[in-house]
Amino acid sequence: EGQLVESGGGLVQPGGSLRLSCAASGFTLSSHWMTWVRQAPGKGLQWVANIAEDSSASYHLDSVKGRFTISRDNAKNSMYLQMNGLRDEDAAVYYCARVVAGSPVDYMDVWGKGTAVTVSS
Amino acid sequence: EIVLTQSPVTLSLSPGEGATLSCRASQSVNNFLAWYQQKSGQAPRLLMYDASNRAAGIPARFSGSGSGTDFTLTISRLEPEDFAVYYCQYRWNFGQGTRLEIK
Repeated sequence: EGQLVESGGGLVQPGGSLRLSCAASGFTLSSHWMTWVRQAPGKGLQWVANIAEDSSASYHLDSVKGRFTISRDNAKNSMYLQMNGLRDEDAAVYYCARVVAGSPVDYMDVWGKGTAVTVSS
Repeated sequence: EIVLTQSPVTLSLSPGEGATLSCRASQSVNNFLAWYQQKSGQAPRLLMYDASNRAAGIPARFSGSGSGTDFTLTISRLEPEDFAVYYCQYRWNFGQGTRLEIK
């Protein structure tokens, strides 16, 4: 079935940086695109970034381009989100999610429990 | 960019009743639509994909239909654990969610 566990969230000042990690187990990470999705307090879901199985391609939400970078290390069964230049509006719970193998439109069938990012001075 | 609009925003029903949730896309997405359920304090869970296929472990009381721009998630007889927020999704876009609450 698979399991994902996020870590690295916390309190950061505006303009600061955080690196989120997502540890995968119970499935072959290299067989799946992976995604970060966030949810601001009391709000809906927002896709943030995704990355191909072999890191050959990645895409980011326009509002985080140039500030956030998604990456992965299949040998370590891990995915990452480097977040720089954090803004108030980036405060959210960040979920990592597995994309269904072969899915043409990023259906996400395994989700972590999320890690909370707070941006405040 | 495709915009997904869900209706209603909130749906108040009693256990045992049927529920119908809608998702409308601003342009055709063929049948490439998913539905997720999110309970309070939990991560989302995939319910349906390709509009009408149930994900693994999803009870048969959940069904999906539609293609093109109009989609429906139907819950035939509500169980207490079904009261949650439901999102539709196409690629990198989510609807704003429908909150299904106990009447």
